[in-house]
Amino acid sequence: DVQLQESGPGLVKPSQSLSLTCTVTGYSITSDYAWNWIRQFPGNKLEWMGYISYSGSTSYNPSLKSRISITRDTSKNQFFLQLNSVTTEDTATYYCARTVGTPWFAYWGQGTLVTVSA
Amino acid sequence: DIQMTQSSSYLSVSLGGRVTITCKASDHINNWLAWYQQKPGNAPRLLISGATSLETGVPSRFSGSGSGKDYTLSITSLQTEDVATYYCQQYWSTPYTFGGGTKLEIK
Repeated sequence: DVQLQESGPGLVKPSQSLSLTCTVTGYSITSDYAWNWIRQFPGNKLEWMGYISYSGSTSYNPSLKSRISITRDTSKNQFFLQLNSVTTEDTATYYCARTVGTPWFAYWGQGTLVTVSA
Repeated sequence: DIQMTQSSSYLSVSLGGRVTITCKASDHINNWLAWYQQKPGNAPRLLISGATSLETGVPSRFSGSGSGKDYTLSITSLQTEDVATYYCQQYWSTPYTFGGGTKLEIK
């Protein structure tokens, strides 16, 4: 069964970059599907941030387009989120998730809380 | 962007009762809608895709309906384990967007 696990710093200073890793087991990220980042703000609003596809193409939420980058390391079966110039508004729980062809999210990591604070 | 509106932030329902959670899209989404259940401390869990298709392992007391812009998630014979927050999500167009959530409580 496919499993996803987020990892990365839990605290980031304002104006710095947020970097997270999603490690995938049980399925190759180059076989199929889209590999997504989704975040949930305090207050529980969910926001789709973007994805990297099995072929390496990317799609980003326009609200983040100038700050976000999703990349991958196929040798480690990992994909990454980088969000630049963070502010306190980027404090959220960050999830990685996989689609199953059509873009609903059938598989999720457990989430990692990132707090942006000086 | 397509905005997803769940008109009720909270619903209080009796055990064994029936509840309907509504979700309205700002544009037609052609049944490209999913429903998720989230319990505190957990990631969302996919319940329904394609507006009406129940995921494997989801109890049959859950059902989805709707068309066009208006969709509903119904739960019959409410159980204590159904206490959670429920979200709709459209995947008709990017950016994929979620409703604000409906928190279900036991009366």
